[in-house]
This record gives sequence, C-alpha cells and structure tokens, in this order.
Amino acid sequence: KAGVTQTPRYLIKTRGQQVTLSCSPISGHRSVSWYQQTPGQGLQFLFEYFSETQRNKGNFPGRFSGRQFSNSRSEMNVSTLELGDSALYLCASRQGLVTGELFFGEGSRLTVL
Amino acid sequence: AQSVTQLGSHVSVSEGALVLLRCNYSSSVPPYLFWYVQYPNQGLQLLLKYTSAATLVKGINGFEAEFKKSETSFHLTKPSAHMSDAAEYFCAVSTGTASKLTFGTGTRLQVTL
Repeated sequence: KAGVTQTPRYLIKTRGQQVTLSCSPISGHRSVSWYQQTPGQGLQFLFEYFSETQRNKGNFPGRFSGRQFSNSRSEMNVSTLELGDSALYLCASRQGLVTGELFFGEGSRLTVL
Repeated sequence: AQSVTQLGSHVSVSEGALVLLRCNYSSSVPPYLFWYVQYPNQGLQLLLKYTSAATLVKGINGFEAEFKKSETSFHLTKPSAHMSDAAEYFCAVSTGTASKLTFGTGTRLQVTL
C-alpha cells in the first residue's frame, strides 16, 4: 500500500511568487492535514480537509490556502511568498475525520530567495 | 488550549544505555498524547499514542511512554539505545482524535559508540 505522496519534494521560489504543493493520501484515507515545519517555529498546523471541506484551520495568514478534490488528493497554495515561508511542508492523511492514526508524507521543502 | 514542552533540545546517550526523552503537557481537557520520530529528510512516523486507555503505552522499536496525570508528563523511554535510534523526536498533544496536533519543539537524540 503506497504511503502519502507529496510533490514536489524540493523547490526554490523567489519572494512575491506563489507556489502550489500537492499531496496524495493513502488509498482509502479521506482526511488530509497540512503542517509547516521551520527551525524557528517548529511544527505548526495549517489546515485539515475532509470530504472536500476545510474542517480545521491553524493560525496562518490568508496567503495560505488549500483545497481537496473528490479523490481526496489535496493541494495547498501560498501566494506572495515571503522569506519566512521557507519551510518543510508536511502532509498527513488518516482514514476518517475522527478515527485513525495520522500518516505523514516526506514533505515538500520550499526555499524562498 | 493545549501545549507541549520538551526538555532538552539535544540528548546524547551511549549505545546500549537507557533513553529518556522528556515531555510535559498542558491541556484544559483530558489529552491525547503522541510521540513521533523524524529521520533526516523524512516525514514523521508515529511511535506510540495515549488515548485514555492504559497509562503505560508500548510503541514500535522498543519504545514506551507512561502517562502521569499528576505530573502532566508523558516521557518516552527505551531500555537500550541503538545507533538506528538517532533521530529527532516530537511529543504532541491533541484534545481529541479529530483535533489538530500541537507539537513540542523536538529533541534530537544522538547515539554514540
């Protein structure tokens, strides 16, 4: 059974650009969460999607957005990139909204220059 | 609101020695507690979780943790360290199985010969 797949694994952008990251959950998992990991702030929750609806949201500015498709795949977008957005973005999936362990992908490492 | 404090950003032990990684939590409701491990350039892997059942929780790779409500602690232990245990370990808390995870700042474990 394939794990959580995140693409791209590495990317470099410049300030002001936007970026879209993709996450394919484990087959059968309907919930997808996103976390940001930085050396300074650690691991912080961005948002969670279930059945194409955002169910929970962390304390991030509106530049950070996401969506989920009918096949449970999810994308997150960051617009008007800032240097501080450089981070490892981790996606996690679980089977349901109230049950199941979170399985994490290997992350997408974003560098903003 | 909930939070997690991990004492010691770096812990070094000799191979074969006891591993003890400390985690204290704060939660206004009965918590769900987790320990995750992260190897370089990888995502997070769940080691073990406490969800109000047995207070002594056994996880993968020989790790275990004990929930102590009176001390608001959930320390991670392993009787004998192995070189392959070298990684970063994160303690996390949530207020329910459907809730977001709040992570500690992590403890990097070094295992020496």
